[in-house]
Formats: sequence, structure tokens, C-alpha cells
Amino acid sequence: EAQVTQNPRYLITVTGKKLTVTCSQNMNHEYMSWYRQDPGLGLRQIYYSMNVEVTDKGDVPEGYKVSRKEKRNFPLILESPSPNQTSLYFCASSSRTGVGLDTEAFFGQGTRLTVV
Amino acid sequence: AQSVAQPEDQVNVAEGNPLTVKCTYSVSGNPYLFWYVQYPNRGLQFLLKYITGDNLVKGSYGFEAEFNKSQTSFHLKKPSALVSDSALYFCAVSSPQAGTALIFGKGTTLSVSS
Repeated sequence: EAQVTQNPRYLITVTGKKLTVTCSQNMNHEYMSWYRQDPGLGLRQIYYSMNVEVTDKGDVPEGYKVSRKEKRNFPLILESPSPNQTSLYFCASSSRTGVGLDTEAFFGQGTRLTVV
Repeated sequence: AQSVAQPEDQVNVAEGNPLTVKCTYSVSGNPYLFWYVQYPNRGLQFLLKYITGDNLVKGSYGFEAEFNKSQTSFHLKKPSALVSDSALYFCAVSSPQAGTALIFGKGTTLSVSS
């Protein structure tokens, strides 16, 4: 079954304690991305990756890191989480033709992060 | 820079009536346009897309959308709403010329009453 898997689904942590949210896809997609969803703000892009070893900042990259060492995995790292990073996070993947993202994106189930 | 606007935070419609959820976009070059739906406690699901060709595209669950280049719009429509259509709807855009990412609007909550 084609899917994007995020872990964990729920996480409560304390300010400053490093954490990683994993994302894995089994569709051999080139494009992967992280979004955060906040009430009234929709989905805002944190980082994206067009292929292995290629990552770019989205609209809200501050406080986050990513890596793309393998095609299937795109972990999101919070080196020193703060309460303003409390949010619902989604990982997505998509195939590409040329430079355009013209196919549907598949989304993970989401990770609800609370930083206290 | 790419951007998407969904001017209505919420759309209310009675079951059986037609519905429209509005979306306008700004992008350099040719737009690739998408609609996604999110049900409570779920990830986003793809509904339909416009890449090229016919301005009217049909998608899942009876939804359709019309691409209007002059008005830079891509409104989502359905002839007869169902209570089960109640959800959060997102419009998104990418562009091969911009060569960057998939950008989403803020979302519109659709509420269909019985």
C-alpha cells in the first residue's frame, strides 16, 4: 500500500529537549516536504526536498532542521524546541516530472507536538 | 513568490444545494493547481488537479473545479452537497517555472447542514 508514515503521532516534550519526527514514504517519490498546521494559518511549509541531498527552506524554517540522506526518509529535527513550535505537523511526498510538481501529494497522518 | 488565497474561512450550505469554495492564486509562469480535503484527525487527501487542457476538471466524490486564467482563480464546486462533504478544504499551487514547492492556502471549512 502506498503511504507516508510519520512517527510519533503524538508527542509532549519540554522546552529545549531535542526531538526528531520521522517520515518515510514507500513510493520512490523525489519530492518530500514538511508542513505545520495552525488554526487560522493553514499549512505553512517548513522545509522541502526535491531529491536526495537537496533541501530548501520553506516559509517557516526557523528552529527546524531536516536531512535527506535517503530517498525514502525525510526526518524533521527540532534541536531546541520552544512552546511556539507546538503544532500539528505533516509530512508529504510527491513524484515529479521535470521541475514541476504535477502529481498529487501524499500526506502522512500527522504528528501533534506539544512543547511545554 | 507563489501564494494562494482562500477568501472564506467558512462556507455553509444546505444538503442538496450547490456549493462553491473559492481560491485565487499568484504564481510566476504556468500554475499547477490542486484541491485537497482534510477530515478531522486525518491527513490531507487529494481531490483534483489542473495541469493543462480543459479548464473544467473533475475529481473525487463528485467535486469539480474551474480554472480561470484571467481571474487567476480555481474555485471548487459540487452540484449537490452532502452532509459527509463537511470538512476542511485546501487549495494549493505549484509552478514549473518557479521550480519550487507546493504552497497551500489557509483552508476553508465547509459545513453542510441536513
